[in-house]
Amino acid sequence: DTAVSQTPKYLVTQMGNDKSIKCEQNLGHDTMYWYKQDSKKFLKIMFSYNNKELIINETVPNRFSPKSPDKAHLNLHINSLELGDSAVYFCASSPGGIKGTEAFFGQGTRLTVV
Amino acid sequence: GENVEQHPSTLSVQEGDSAVIKCTYSDSASNYFPWYKQELGKGPQLIIDIRSNVGEKKDQRIAVTLNKTAKHFSLHITETQPEDSAVYFCAGTGGTSYGKLTFGQGTILTVHP
Repeated sequence: DTAVSQTPKYLVTQMGNDKSIKCEQNLGHDTMYWYKQDSKKFLKIMFSYNNKELIINETVPNRFSPKSPDKAHLNLHINSLELGDSAVYFCASSPGGIKGTEAFFGQGTRLTVV
Repeated sequence: GENVEQHPSTLSVQEGDSAVIKCTYSDSASNYFPWYKQELGKGPQLIIDIRSNVGEKKDQRIAVTLNKTAKHFSLHITETQPEDSAVYFCAGTGGTSYGKLTFGQGTILTVHP
């Protein structure tokens, strides 16, 4: 059983389109995240939700809108895709809490905007 | 917020040698420092972590040391094997924010047979 699963694994789309990436975790964690990994492998947090509530929004353009229908799911919707949005997007989950705990990552979604 | 610097960006060793990767952090309130390994086409996976009340932690061939005064921590891999080849990331959490991870820039480790 996959702990954190994302779909799709690959996504190729044209500029200006709208797309969504789905994420589900079966670990019973309270906190979920979206991270972006650029072409230089740099990983940066985008959003975090704790029990369906947004707690971190790292100055991401408002074309990116996360949605958490329940604490096991955190989806990422991107409007008006731009070339610079091409990257690998990782969903992650953790038990949360300010003391810091292990984050479990999904396998990533490679988004290519052409 | 937290800033994490990681060195070197690439590291090439012979099988059986040791590898050391170093990180510094800026937020003195940081209390949790994980290390992740990312293999090609996969998500990062935790390999070891350390909390600020501990100076060293070891798990078989992998060890992490933490110097809170100097605000730096290091990953040590002994008896390296070709399957250790991957990208390694250090991270810090800062003092707030529900486990938000600030990652270092990553180190590409290559172990030559």
